[in-house]
Amino acid sequence: GAVVSQHPSRVICKSGTSVKIECRSLDFQATTMFWYRQFPKQSLMLMATSNEGSKATYEQGVEKDKFLINHASLTLSTLTVTSAHPEDSSFYICSAPDRGLDYGYTFGSGTRLTVV
Amino acid sequence: GENVEQHPSTLSVQEGDSAVIKCTYSDSASNYFPWYKQELGKRPQLIIDIRSNVGEKKDQRIAVTLNKTAKHFSLHITETQPEDSAVYFCAASKSPGGYNKLIFGAGTRLAVHP
Repeated sequence: GAVVSQHPSRVICKSGTSVKIECRSLDFQATTMFWYRQFPKQSLMLMATSNEGSKATYEQGVEKDKFLINHASLTLSTLTVTSAHPEDSSFYICSAPDRGLDYGYTFGSGTRLTVV
Repeated sequence: GENVEQHPSTLSVQEGDSAVIKCTYSDSASNYFPWYKQELGKRPQLIIDIRSNVGEKKDQRIAVTLNKTAKHFSLHITETQPEDSAVYFCAASKSPGGYNKLIFGAGTRLAVHP
């Protein structure tokens, strides 16, 4: 089936720095990418929806200037956590609609971000 | 906004028993309802899904039922095994096209005891 490759799988950064997470659709064109955040023992919370060539749509309560999303091509969407703080430590995961699943969803492998 | 409620939050069963997890959704336009199994630190794994044009779907030991009138859907696992132990999430989205956002329930931690 379709594959979304997500990198890095783990990252540790210092407070105040920025971290970029990439999601690439390997064998299909992902015109839409959903970005989720998952805190320990909690559910996947949708942060934003990115669409190729246009501005991302953010969910209520998600800071646009802190979580920068770029979807510059049909195969790459990125999430940049700017000025990271320890409370941003979480599991971030992307997802794209997958025609191979009859328009279900395929997920990246996730990124464990730790801010120290 | 859209909301998906899931119960119970934890479920403990003996091996061989059945497990049932229930979800309700708020958006009547939702018509795609997947169920995911997630192991610690891993991506969610689709185990079964159902669309609004059917009321029930079964795949070996796993079945899902949907009641659109009540906006309610359930996961049924029969003959549970220890390897079924994991966190299970229900979700809902509008279709067609899969380009609509997927909203997750809070999750159910299932423990199957030998």
